[in-house]
Amino acid sequence: ETGVTQSPTHLIKTRGQQVTLRCSSQSGHNTVSWYQQALGQGPQFIFQYYREEENGRGNFPPRFSGLQFPNYSSELNVNALELDDSALYLCASSLDGGYYGNTIYFGEGSWLTVV
Amino acid sequence: DAKTTQPTSMDCAEGRAANLPCNHSTISGNEYVYWYRQIHSQGPQYIIHGLKNNETNEMASLIITEDRKSSTLILPHATLRDTAVYYCIVRVGSGGSNYKLTFGKGTLLTVNP
Repeated sequence: ETGVTQSPTHLIKTRGQQVTLRCSSQSGHNTVSWYQQALGQGPQFIFQYYREEENGRGNFPPRFSGLQFPNYSSELNVNALELDDSALYLCASSLDGGYYGNTIYFGEGSWLTVV
Repeated sequence: DAKTTQPTSMDCAEGRAANLPCNHSTISGNEYVYWYRQIHSQGPQYIIHGLKNNETNEMASLIITEDRKSSTLILPHATLRDTAVYYCIVRVGSGGSNYKLTFGKGTLLTVNP
């Protein structure tokens, strides 16, 4: 039990559609990151939110966007879905500030299949 | 742009210690080493992390060399349920709230009966 919950666990979308994935971070954690993991690969960093502001982004196009809410939960939105977006989407949370070594917990992920 | 190098796979006998090596020769002074494992289709499970001192918790021990260029994760008594992909990661970032974890391909540890 990491305290990080993601929904939905599985979903199937059609190419061109839009999807929203949700993450509830561990209680009190103010930093949320999103990762994409394609089959057979390690997770790839998409972006990070700290206190409702995006403060880091990986090599993903603008159609990947996100939000963080005042309670620190977060959403990942993907527009104009492509077949290659099929992957496990992971949310990770931590309590951060000036300390560089806090524990980072992952949720179980949302499996997205684009057909 | 993973900053770590790990063997692709390792085997270990059940009940024996599993020692998983990791090289991170370009690590910087304030970058932590994190270890996670992932069982098929599940999210990465946190194991342990450290900066320069050896660390131990209920799951594992982390031994970091004095020059910090390599580390070893030790599972003291491996069980079949420890079969997983183990990721050694250097936390990269410009501040406590600005970081990312760059995953490599990890090491597939297979624990044999």
